[in-house]
Amino acid sequence: EAGVVQSPRYKIIEKKQPVAFWCNPISGHNTLYWYLQNLGQGPELLIRYENEEAVDDSQLPKDRFSAERLKGVDSTLKIQPAELGDSAVYLCASSSSGLNNEQFFGPGTRLTVL
Amino acid sequence: GDSVTQMEGPVTLSEEAFLTINCTYTATGYPSLFWYVQYPGEGLQLLLKATKADDKGSNKGFEATYRKETTSFHLEKGSVQVSDSAVYFCALSDLNSNYQLIWGAGTKLIIKP
Repeated sequence: EAGVVQSPRYKIIEKKQPVAFWCNPISGHNTLYWYLQNLGQGPELLIRYENEEAVDDSQLPKDRFSAERLKGVDSTLKIQPAELGDSAVYLCASSSSGLNNEQFFGPGTRLTVL
Repeated sequence: GDSVTQMEGPVTLSEEAFLTINCTYTATGYPSLFWYVQYPGEGLQLLLKATKADDKGSNKGFEATYRKETTSFHLEKGSVQVSDSAVYFCALSDLNSNYQLIWGAGTKLIIKP
């Protein structure tokens, strides 16, 4: 069974440019998470979806970040415009519905903003 | 609010050495506790977990015991291998966090042959 798929794996852009990350969760997983991970730190939750509904986006900087999961499967996270401080690894995870279920993580997208 | 504190790395050991990575937590409720591992170039993987006091989680030779009296969940392995080199994250979830994972900063483990 395929795990969580993310693309691209690496992205280098100049500041003020837009960027998008894509995630395909494990088949059948209704819950999808986007995290940001800075070097030497644990992941920080950006947004959590239950199917196509964003049920927790309180940590998402909505002035420049947006996310969508239109059909309740794949998801896209976008930054526009990117800033130098956005350089980090963006992780996607998925789990079965319900609280406290194991989260399965993708390999992440490493973003470098120059 | 809830928080997790783990020992700073990197931790460097020789192969077959005994490993301890300390993790302590602060929580108002009765959290579930987790250890995740991140191998180079790969995603985070659940290593083991414990859901109530005195439970012991174990996997791949690693163990951790949920100690409520000391609010700790230290990770141990009796004999490490080079392939154990990775970053290890301690995390918790409970009702107070709406069952979202609260993460430690991670501890990088380097095993030398």
